Amino acid sequence: DVKVTQSSRYLVKRTGEKVFLECVQDMDHENMFWYRQDPGLGLRLIYFSYDVKMKEKGDIPEGYSVSREKKERFSLILESASTNQTSMYLCASSASGEASYEQYFGPGTRLTVT
Amino acid sequence: QKEVEQNSGPLSVPEGAIASLNCTYSDRVSQSFFWYRQYSGKSPELIMSIYSNGDKEDGRFTAQLNKASQYVSLLIRDSQPSDSATYLCAVNNKNTGNQFYFGTGTSLTVIP
Repeated sequence: DVKVTQSSRYLVKRTGEKVFLECVQDMDHENMFWYRQDPGLGLRLIYFSYDVKMKEKGDIPEGYSVSREKKERFSLILESASTNQTSMYLCASSASGEASYEQYFGPGTRLTVT
Repeated sequence: QKEVEQNSGPLSVPEGAIASLNCTYSDRVSQSFFWYRQYSGKSPELIMSIYSNGDKEDGRFTAQLNKASQYVSLLIRDSQPSDSATYLCAVNNKNTGNQFYFGTGTSLTVIP
């Protein structure tokens, strides 16, 4: 079974704090993704990575950065948290290849910024 | 125009009936299609993937793909209350590599 874990299920931070969200997958997947999910807006891609030290911007990268120093770990960083970053954050991973695009999600981190 | 569109619902069906969920997509070069189930407060769970035209069956679930009409559907036979969830359609665009485009989901309620 594919297993994707996230460092926290719930997190409360104050405005202006630097926030780290960590994601680890155990299936040796090349690709990893960070999404946020908000009511009525669906899943929106923040950043993704095809390989170690590689990163690509998604649809809403502003206010976020990422780090991928090891293949199994992909971190999302909120440089200076703001209330509009209150959301559910979901990490996903997938293998590479013609027929291996299936993405598997972690349990999510519900972040509240006050 | 959104890449992937779904009727947000809510869709209500009685227990034992067939639930039909639909999804349309805008990019003709899309090549891989997925259905995820998401229970309230939980993360999406992959339930079906389909890559070629026609039907694909897995237990009570059938995915149907029609690339000419640019739609993909999910049928749930013998619906159970435990099927009550939001169903997300996702499409992979080969021009953007491994990036997915998700619909906003259809909320399904199965009434006992």
